[in-house]
Amino acid sequence: GAGVSQSPSNKVTEKGKDVELRCDPISGHTALYWYRQSLGQGLEFLIYFQGNSAPDKSGLPSDRFSAERTGGSVSTLTIQRTQQEDSAVYLCASSVSIVGTEAFFGQGTRLTVV
Amino acid sequence: QQQVKQSPQSLIVQKGGISIINCAYENTAFDYFPWYQQFPGKGPALLIAIRPDVSEKKEGRFTISFNKSAKQFSLHIMDSQPGDSATYFCAASTQTGTYKYIFGTGTRLKVLA
Repeated sequence: GAGVSQSPSNKVTEKGKDVELRCDPISGHTALYWYRQSLGQGLEFLIYFQGNSAPDKSGLPSDRFSAERTGGSVSTLTIQRTQQEDSAVYLCASSVSIVGTEAFFGQGTRLTVV
Repeated sequence: QQQVKQSPQSLIVQKGGISIINCAYENTAFDYFPWYQQFPGKGPALLIAIRPDVSEKKEGRFTISFNKSAKQFSLHIMDSQPGDSATYFCAASTQTGTYKYIFGTGTRLKVLA
């Protein structure tokens, strides 16, 4: 497809389990972002990739969170030992370049930790 | 200094009215200011964006007004329609540093039919 694709769209997991969230950016987009949106809240920045490198990981809330990007394309956000406070919608976005261009968002993965 | 403050938190407007949402920032390095529209269950979608070299940008019923000296920008929705009911986020980014988008906290707009 032409847009940013995220999978799964919904994920319910038990507290303490690890989860992996996937993002397929728009082809050719070098910049990729992960954001978290809690219920009724704004978008919280998590991490940004330029190519396969992550120059800014400042938003990752704890060392349980990690992300990687391979081949300058697909990115995976991993949350280890999930906690209930991790429940949120995780949004991925990509843009053509890092120079102030439009970021296109996927529909997000709704994560529920029970 | 990285924050973008958005107001109001929620807004109710009659059909045909003007919806106005305001944002303010501190970091003078910001040089790209987009507005995103988000419908329930969907990801945010770019609505309109402005750079600080212009004071106003209009696209259809949507206008961004930008006041560089005051470090403020606003979204005006003219002739508001029920289909405009959504959450609107302002954002800011910079061509230097880490390039991440800093988002406001969002405004939930409801346009009454």
